[in-house]
Amino acid sequence: EPEVTQTPSHQVTQMGQEVILRCVPISNHLYFYWYRQILGQKVEFLVSFYNNEISEKSEIFDDQFSVERPDGSNFTLKIRSTKLEDSAMYFCASSGVTVYGYTFGSGTRLTVV
Amino acid sequence: AQSVSQHNHHVILSEAASLELGCNYSYGGTVNLFWYVQYPGQHLQLLLKYFSGDPLVKGIKGFEAEFIKSKFSFNLRKPSVQWSDTAEYFCAVNAQGTDKLIFGTGTRLQVFP
Repeated sequence: EPEVTQTPSHQVTQMGQEVILRCVPISNHLYFYWYRQILGQKVEFLVSFYNNEISEKSEIFDDQFSVERPDGSNFTLKIRSTKLEDSAMYFCASSGVTVYGYTFGSGTRLTVV
Repeated sequence: AQSVSQHNHHVILSEAASLELGCNYSYGGTVNLFWYVQYPGQHLQLLLKYFSGDPLVKGIKGFEAEFIKSKFSFNLRKPSVQWSDTAEYFCAVNAQGTDKLIFGTGTRLQVFP
């Protein structure tokens, strides 16, 4: 069964540093998403991406965040200057036909110290 | 704004017991409804989904859910749980016309042999 792959599985970074979380979506999927889950809280939508541009973003997704599909296979989430409250599990997802066919990755646990 | 409530935060059952996990949502328009499961250390997996038609939907691993529009509910059920059902269960809602999923806070299910 096709998978969405996320790397690294766990990243520790110092406050103020930039981090890039990487995702390899399923190869024929066209819609890409990032979600996050702060420990003990609900999974929250960050951003959706289609046709090389952001199609929807949440209030959480401020100027510190950006997404990119640099080479046609990877889908990255960049946090420019991390804050302690960015510590969370970040999930990438992709789908072929919008919400009907979501597949989630295993997540990257980001710890900001 | 849409929201999803899962009233049971932690459920403990013995094997063969019946399961019902509550999910209520608030949104006035047409919705698509989902239940996801997250086994320890793994990614979110789709259990079942409702888009339209028969409000009783059957998913994988013997799970089913019933959409009751008048109650804004989409409760998950399984007649006889197994130890392998130990996991976290998330209800999610999507407003038709958008790509994002709105998740509940999740219910942790522990099944003891």
